[in-house]
Amino acid sequence: GIQVEQSPPDLILQEGANSTLRCNFSDSVNNLQWFHQNPWGQLINLFYIPSGTKQNGRLSATTVATERYSLLYISSSQTTDSGVYFCAAGRGGMRFGAGTRLTVKP
Amino acid sequence: NAGVMQNPRHLVRRRGQEARLRCSPMKGHSHVYWYRQLPEEGLKFMVYLQKENIIDESGMPKERFSAEFPKEGPSILRIQQVVRGDSAAYFCASSPEAQSSYEQYFGPGTRLTVT
Repeated sequence: GIQVEQSPPDLILQEGANSTLRCNFSDSVNNLQWFHQNPWGQLINLFYIPSGTKQNGRLSATTVATERYSLLYISSSQTTDSGVYFCAAGRGGMRFGAGTRLTVKP
Repeated sequence: NAGVMQNPRHLVRRRGQEARLRCSPMKGHSHVYWYRQLPEEGLKFMVYLQKENIIDESGMPKERFSAEFPKEGPSILRIQQVVRGDSAAYFCASSPEAQSSYEQYFGPGTRLTVT
């Protein structure tokens, strides 16, 4: 099955800093999504991005399907950005990466 | 347009009892997916269903777990004879009938606690 790897596993930032999270996947997919899981366990859908580039406020994402990776950019980070970021990819049921745990300090 | 609905949000069962988790997909969605998140872990795919059909159950434990998505009504994930290791958050997602987009929309999850 498809393997999804995320890096880094942990990231600590000062408020206002920028960051890049990476997701590698092992096979062609028709679905790739980025999620933020907040401290209450809720999954927030950030991007549906099987290919190309999208932006939403301070967040943007790029997927290069031919090279099987996706990047999530967070600019001017805020304490409310803290939590775990998951990448998921697949054809049908998705496989999730292990996540990047982001801590933004004031 | 209401999102994906799951109920109950929290469920407590004693070892050996049955747990039934319900998922109502978004309007116009006919594809349903179940995922499990064990404590302090990522999400794992369990099963993918369309109306009255199981498409992919490669992530389902071989025993005690079953899923259905009938022609009418919600999708049901059933766990028989629960054990402590079944304690987890169970998320349901749905995607549209027309496969112009494969985006999955997630519900709030059901937190199952086995005592």
